[in-house]
Amino acid sequence: SQQGEEDPQALSIQEGENATMNCSYKTSINNLQWYRQNSGRGLVHLILIRSNEREKHSGRLRVTLDTSKKSSSLLITASRAADTASYFCAGGGAAGNKLTFGGGTRVLVKP
Amino acid sequence: DGGITQSPKYLFRKEGQNVTLSCEQNLNHDAMYWYRQDPGQGLRLIYYSQIVNDFQKGDIAEGYSVSREKKESFPLTVTSAQKNPTAFYLCASSIDQGTNEKLFFGSGTQLSVL
Repeated sequence: SQQGEEDPQALSIQEGENATMNCSYKTSINNLQWYRQNSGRGLVHLILIRSNEREKHSGRLRVTLDTSKKSSSLLITASRAADTASYFCAGGGAAGNKLTFGGGTRVLVKP
Repeated sequence: DGGITQSPKYLFRKEGQNVTLSCEQNLNHDAMYWYRQDPGQGLRLIYYSQIVNDFQKGDIAEGYSVSREKKESFPLTVTSAQKNPTAFYLCASSIDQGTNEKLFFGSGTQLSVL
């Protein structure tokens, strides 16, 4: 399995600031995905970056991928209180491999 | 509305009892998954199914069982053999397991032991 590990485990910022979290994984991947989970709810898919891509944007989200370092970062710009959630990365391997999630980064955006 | 529905939202299990968690999807997805989440932790894969009448063990299958008799449904049974069942259980689906892309999740079931 491709284990994702997020860093930091927790992050507290003021509304309007940027939030950056990192993800490291151990084995080769075809894609790296980021999900958000609000407390007591299911996960919601945010963005997917493929192994041949280095950077991807979606609204206020920016994701980078460095396959040589086996790492990815998620940047949330101009954060809002509604961005308060846990964020998980997951590495997708070759067909038939299981998608494996890391422990997540808990983000608190203070109004 | 297309989506994935889990029920019940809360479930309590007595010692020695089997309980079944429901998961239904109307997204016409081939692949379905069950994950377990402990407080403050990530998700661990219990079982997954790529097509009807087929399923595979995940990383923590012991004490659990599943069936996939219909494309829309993937129920999970937590058996009495699972000694530490208290957790948040999440069901997910994807278009197909082969592409390993974009999982859609249900709202989860919180299972507690009485």
